[in-house]
Amino acid sequence: QTVVTQEPSLSVSPGGTVTLTCGLNSGSVSTSSYPSWYQQTPGQTPRTLIYGTSTRSSGVPDRFSGSILGNKAALTITGAQADDECDYYCVLYMGSGYWVFGGGTKLTVL
Amino acid sequence: QVHLQESGPGLVKPSETLSLTCSVSDFSINSGYYWGWIRQPPGKGLQWIGSIYHSGTTYYNPSLKSRAAISVDMSKNQFSLKLNSVTAADTAVYFCASYGSALYGNRYFYYMDVWGKGATVTVSS
Repeated sequence: QTVVTQEPSLSVSPGGTVTLTCGLNSGSVSTSSYPSWYQQTPGQTPRTLIYGTSTRSSGVPDRFSGSILGNKAALTITGAQADDECDYYCVLYMGSGYWVFGGGTKLTVL
Repeated sequence: QVHLQESGPGLVKPSETLSLTCSVSDFSINSGYYWGWIRQPPGKGLQWIGSIYHSGTTYYNPSLKSRAAISVDMSKNQFSLKLNSVTAADTAVYFCASYGSALYGNRYFYYMDVWGKGATVTVSS
């Protein structure tokens, strides 16, 4: 069974930089997985941040960036702000029209 | 920009069928692209349920064991989800989403882009 892995929780200081990762329990994530990243405040609709590994969605500030780091997809937040404190989800394309979400990362800004 | 709105019963009895509809506005489903469903159990993460291309081709999460069915009604500019034989484990917020597309190299890829606000469905007798 394919499992997409994310750090359950991370913390960052205001103004600091943090990298969230998105991996596979078996195999590597590549650009062919077309990783996307979503931001979700509890009780709210997910907001699209990044798609196709590194393309920012409309209106997303450039302090959010996506990349492939080693064998994982990565979301880096530079200059973290208090309102970045929420949940972040990645999703990977497995082929044949099949997508799998990661378990999500709860980011704390303190 | 496309707007999406889920609708359907908020309470479903165990073993019955969950039915939800996503109404699409400011874009014609017939124009193309993929449309999908994602759910989020209380306090848990997102789970991809499945998607449908405007032509009717469907894709599903294998973990749902063929319980899910997604369809499109172009005359109403809507697409729907049916999930049969529900249990308490199917209690969740159900989101519908439209897929965007972009070019990577010489091929197009798709991604979940615009989401509806979500519909809460509780499975209970």
